[in-house]
Amino acid sequence: NAGVTQTPKFQVLKTGQSMTLQCAQDMNHEYMSWYRQDPGMGLRLIHYSVGAGITDQGEVPNGYNVSRSTTEDFPLRLLSAAPSQTSVYFCASSRGQISGANVLTFGAGSRLTVL
Amino acid sequence: GQQLNQSPQSMFIQEGEDVSMNCTSSSIFNTWLWYKQDPGEGPVLLIALYKAGELTSNGRLTAQFGITRKDSFLNISASIPSDVGIYFCAGHSVGAGNMLTFGGGTRLMVKP
Repeated sequence: NAGVTQTPKFQVLKTGQSMTLQCAQDMNHEYMSWYRQDPGMGLRLIHYSVGAGITDQGEVPNGYNVSRSTTEDFPLRLLSAAPSQTSVYFCASSRGQISGANVLTFGAGSRLTVL
Repeated sequence: GQQLNQSPQSMFIQEGEDVSMNCTSSSIFNTWLWYKQDPGEGPVLLIALYKAGELTSNGRLTAQFGITRKDSFLNISASIPSDVGIYFCAGHSVGAGNMLTFGGGTRLMVKP
């Protein structure tokens, strides 16, 4: 099994450009989420989805859009990139909604630099 | 929102030494998780703790869920070079729905 697959692994954007980070999982997980990782700040939740057609905001949603048209895919869109969005982005999935029994499986990350 | 304070932020130790890191919270958690992130990879779950006072081991790793439910520690015994990476604690409380709160991470470096 591939687990959680993220593309691209690296991306450089200019301020104002748009792009989509792709995330796919092959574990039939209902729950998918996007985190950003910044030095010394751990991982912060951007958006999450508990199933196809359902999305919700996390801790730092501004500047990002998501959609969940299939169980497998959960793309993250930056409509107008800003330098503050320079970060490493992780997609993570779980069998069900977050609880003690359902823990997150992470992708390998996408490093984004906005100039 | 909830905050997790993880310490130390970084450690540089000699191979064979024991390591201890901890997380403290201003609020109660029902679940504590410890993840390790290898360079260039995503975090991987090491240990999950579900009950106050619980002590769980995974090989050379031991983690405990604090009695107050506001803290947790992770110990690594007899460190080896492949222990290098960033260790994250994470907490979940029932009232937080689908939000996990992560600590800032402890970067571990091991000198052979």
